[in-house]
Amino acid sequence: GQNIDQPTEMTATEGAIVQINCTYQTSGFNGLFWYQQHAGEAPTFLSYNVLDGLEEKGRFSSFLSRSKGYSYLLLKELQMKDSASYLCAVPFSGGYNKLIFGAGTRLAVHP
Amino acid sequence: GAVVSQHPSRVICKSGTSVKIECRSLDFQATTMFWYRQFPKQSLMLMATSNEGSKATYEQGVEKDKFLINHASLTLSTLTVTSAHPEDSSFYICSATGGAGEGTEAFFGQGTRLTVV
Repeated sequence: GQNIDQPTEMTATEGAIVQINCTYQTSGFNGLFWYQQHAGEAPTFLSYNVLDGLEEKGRFSSFLSRSKGYSYLLLKELQMKDSASYLCAVPFSGGYNKLIFGAGTRLAVHP
Repeated sequence: GAVVSQHPSRVICKSGTSVKIECRSLDFQATTMFWYRQFPKQSLMLMATSNEGSKATYEQGVEKDKFLINHASLTLSTLTVTSAHPEDSSFYICSATGGAGEGTEAFFGQGTRLTVV
């Protein structure tokens, strides 16, 4: 089967760095997505990792270790607008865009 | 990125009535669309996969006769919640993709907040 685990909530201070972890179990691996979702809105794409290592994109970076079934999203120079839920997702076995989502991590950024 | 438009953004309906939600890909042809449901403070749960010109594939536990999906063209898929009940109140979100390759990004609609009273 497939399962995704990520912390439910995190808090951080404006200007700081925060790391959101995600562990997964899948019967096959077709990459891992991170999405940002503000309350009442649809998710927006942040990153896609299919190979091991760190991918940096501005203030956001995403890391993947396939052998450990582990990924993290790193947010630097936090801003108030980064307060949102961050969803880790992997494709269903055999597909790329049919996604199974983790429960999401609600990040609260405080002044 | 590509644009997926979902309509309506909010709808309130009476128990027992049906509600149709539209999902349109505005600037690309979506061979596949996905319908998700999200309850408060929970993550997105895939309901069904909609393929243009063929029957939708439903996930386990999702009633196909209650959640009717039609994907009649490469730019439009509709989800009809039939005989809606209060427990169907949820946030429904579609996503669309024009490709099936690795890393092909799926684009999400704005979501529809359904409230059944």
